[in-house]
Amino acid sequence: ETGVTQTPRHLVMGMTNKKSLKCEQHLGHNAMYWYKQSAKKPLELMFVYSLEERVENNSVPSRFSPECPNSSHLFLHLHTLQPEDSALYLCASSQGVAGFQETQYFGPGTRLLVL
Amino acid sequence: GENVEQHPSTLSVQEGDSAVIKCTYSDSASNYFPWYKQELGKGPQLIIDIRSNVGEKKDQRIAVTLNKTAKHFSLHITETQPEDSAVYFCAASPRGSTLGRLYFGRGTQLTVWP
Repeated sequence: ETGVTQTPRHLVMGMTNKKSLKCEQHLGHNAMYWYKQSAKKPLELMFVYSLEERVENNSVPSRFSPECPNSSHLFLHLHTLQPEDSALYLCASSQGVAGFQETQYFGPGTRLLVL
Repeated sequence: GENVEQHPSTLSVQEGDSAVIKCTYSDSASNYFPWYKQELGKGPQLIIDIRSNVGEKKDQRIAVTLNKTAKHFSLHITETQPEDSAVYFCAASPRGSTLGRLYFGRGTQLTVWP
C-alpha cells in the first residue's frame, strides 16, 4: 500500500457525539494533510501540518479540530457535526521540503456518516 | 486562488481504445500538474505528473501534455484495460504555494468495458 494508514475506515456518529480520526504515515515524511472528499466536488484541503506545526487552516469550522503530536501521526477530532459533514476524510503526507512541489501520498480514507 | 476545471465527468470506453481527460487552470503561476487515480475503497494515487518546463511526458500507456499558453493539460491513456477503470483527478500547484498546495479538479469516472 501507500504507507499511510487511517482508522477507522468507517464511522457513523450522531450530531452530539465526539469522535476522532487517526492517520499514521510510515514514510518518514514531515508534512501531513487532511482533505474532505464529497461527491461531485473537488478534494477540499482542510489542514496542513509541517513538522508538527499547523501551516494552513482553510476556513474549516471549529467542530473539526486537528492534532499532530509528531510527524508520523495526525488526528482529526470531531464534535457536534452536521449531516453535511458526511464525506470521505483523507489523510496524506509528503516529504515536506519547503518551496518544493512534491508527491502527496494518500491513505484509504475514513468514510464518515453523520446522522 | 487557483481554479481547476476537469472534463468529462464520466467517460466510457471499450477495452483497447484510448481515453483522454482534459483540465484547464486559471493561475498562470501554476507550474506543477499531477494526475491521481482513485480506485474504489482507496485513496488517490499519483500516476504521472508534469512540470511547466516540459510539454509532454510519457510512462508506458499513460501520457500527459501541457499547453501553458492555453492553460490546459490532458491525460492520455492508450490501449485501455478494465483495471484502468477508476476516478481520475487532475491537480495544479502554483509556484510558491504552501508546501506545494494542490488544487484538484472534480474528477472523471473512467469505465473500461471488456
